[in-house]
Amino acid sequence: DVKVTQSSRYLVKRTGEKVFLECVQDMDHENMFWYRQDPGLGLRLIYFSYDVKMKEKGDIPEGYSVSREKKERFSLILESASTNQTSMYLCASSPGTLGTEAFFGQGTRLTVV
Amino acid sequence: LAKTTQPISMDSYEGQEVNITCSHNNIATNDYITWYQQFPSQGPRFIIQGYKTKVTNEVASLFIPADRKSSTLSLPRVSLSDTAVYYCLVARNTGGFKTIFGAGTRLFVKA
Repeated sequence: DVKVTQSSRYLVKRTGEKVFLECVQDMDHENMFWYRQDPGLGLRLIYFSYDVKMKEKGDIPEGYSVSREKKERFSLILESASTNQTSMYLCASSPGTLGTEAFFGQGTRLTVV
Repeated sequence: LAKTTQPISMDSYEGQEVNITCSHNNIATNDYITWYQQFPSQGPRFIIQGYKTKVTNEVASLFIPADRKSSTLSLPRVSLSDTAVYYCLVARNTGGFKTIFGAGTRLFVKA
């Protein structure tokens, strides 16, 4: 089975802190994604990466950056956490050319206080 | 990418067939239609994907008419464990992909 593992299930950070959310996948997938999920808004794409060191902005990249130094790992960085970044963050991965099926991690519920 | 529209919620009873329709009027030639299922406190799980006509797997069927402006997810004989949120989305797979998830349809299966 494909496994997408997010480093934390729950996280509480203070406003202004730099926050790192880590995601690792074990299926050698080319594509990796970060979404945030908020009630009533569904899932919104923050960033995605289709190769090591490659990244593209999604629909809501402001306040976030990403890093993909190795194929299996995709990190989401909140440069200076704010309360409006309190959300559920979901990481996903998918094969590069076999269609668009994505496998999601369990999510990280981040609270910024 | 095409925005999707689907019902906010649906109720059903165990053993019934459930059909959830999604509209995606602005779908483009390269776009695939994909459905995901999400339970509370979990990430979405892939159900089925299609490009045109009908696709069937062990879990569901997906019907896509010729104009591809809508699609219908069909869940045969639902059970209580099928209570979840179902997302229809359009995804383009050209080198990388961007997707737009809608708000989803909350399906509640009753005994």
